[in-house]
Amino acid sequence: SQQGEEDPQALSIQEGENATMNCSYKTSINNLQWYRQNSGRGLVHLILIRSNEREKHSGRLRVTLDTSKKSSSLLITASRAADTASYFCAAFSNTGNQFYFGTGTSLTVIP
Amino acid sequence: DSGVTQTPKHLITATGQRVTLRCSPRSGDLSVYWYQQSLDQGLQFLIQYYNGEERAKGNILERFSAQQFPDLHSELNLSSLELGDSALYFCASSVGSAFSTDTQYFGPGTRLTVL
Repeated sequence: SQQGEEDPQALSIQEGENATMNCSYKTSINNLQWYRQNSGRGLVHLILIRSNEREKHSGRLRVTLDTSKKSSSLLITASRAADTASYFCAAFSNTGNQFYFGTGTSLTVIP
Repeated sequence: DSGVTQTPKHLITATGQRVTLRCSPRSGDLSVYWYQQSLDQGLQFLIQYYNGEERAKGNILERFSAQQFPDLHSELNLSSLELGDSALYFCASSVGSAFSTDTQYFGPGTRLTVL
């Protein structure tokens, strides 16, 4: 069963705008990771944030983590049409060697 | 291209049958992971092998089994197939054994359709 939930389920924005996706999880975590998936293809690892970190940046990506609220957000700045994909969070539980993947946010960036 | 290869790309079979999915990890990677992605269950971790040994187990059914061979390629065997087993099966690989922190590189997936 899913232990992570993404919000919104779908997001459509104009190129150049920022996109924010949220993820909530239910278990205690060691770290949380964000992945991108283009339609019907494998996942691409974007960024990992550890449970003792609050914010992390990588290029146009900014991830925040609030362990007290069991939530994370992924911000993509200055979006491009090539950012169109589904984005998943994966919460790594520290009770048992498992990842729990969220349901994904489908992002469409309109040129 | 992640460097992870999976065969076949598509597989169509009937209920009750058995199939084998194959994965070759990136050169130098010792870990192989298997995932199932379906519409109703989302993406689920099945199992991890590291250097030939089972390392971590997720939501893998008893009808499913996997192994990693000395050349590090891996096979996922699905038996007594049911309609609900229809899904995309992904393989991923990483350099080390640290499931939580190693970056995993995903293959293109095998789409299984059970009729």
